Amino acid sequence: DQQVKQNSPSLSVQEGRISILNCDYTNSMFDYFLWYKKYPAEGPTFLISISSIKDKNEDGRFTVFLNKSAKHLSLHIVPSQPGDSAVYFCAAPLTGNQFYFGTGTSLTVIP
Amino acid sequence: DVKVTQSSRYLVKRTGEKVFLECVQDMDHENMFWYRQDPGLGLRLIYFSYDVKMKEKGDIPEGYSVSREKKERFSLILESASTNQTSMYLCASSLIPYNSPLHFGNGTRLTVT
Repeated sequence: DQQVKQNSPSLSVQEGRISILNCDYTNSMFDYFLWYKKYPAEGPTFLISISSIKDKNEDGRFTVFLNKSAKHLSLHIVPSQPGDSAVYFCAAPLTGNQFYFGTGTSLTVIP
Repeated sequence: DVKVTQSSRYLVKRTGEKVFLECVQDMDHENMFWYRQDPGLGLRLIYFSYDVKMKEKGDIPEGYSVSREKKERFSLILESASTNQTSMYLCASSLIPYNSPLHFGNGTRLTVT
């Protein structure tokens, strides 16, 4: 059973606009969440994280929001740039270093 | 910067062959992982190791084994390759705290014919 879900396989956004990528989870034991970015033919790279004691974490153009009651998190990219075109995975770890990944959302930023 | 190196970017093997995928990390990380990535399925954990000679099964260990003889090296072994093992294989490492980010290698695209 998928404990971390990304229901949108793809997203297209105009350059300069906001990109919003969504992620839902089912396990209330998750207390830490991460976003990874993956270019074709490369491994995923860590982008940003958030602890469950926070509801927002910001790093430059990237902001992650966490709504624990809804078991939902989102990644906002403002402004979107063509170099942001990639597949984005959300992930959550449990003790024992078992990471659960979503299925990914492919973001295309149109120049 | 952490560097995780996978020995091959692309591999083509025949059904029934024994296949070795090698991974080396240079940051003295305790934990190492093998994932496979398939379209629509995301990243699925095959095996992980939290210490030399220690290993734990992930979600999809069937048809695979692993070896960790040295801290920096974690090998994935396909005992008898099958076509359904055609995939992108990703190695990762991390520090001990469970929420430490994973650092991934660039992946090995394995095709089994």
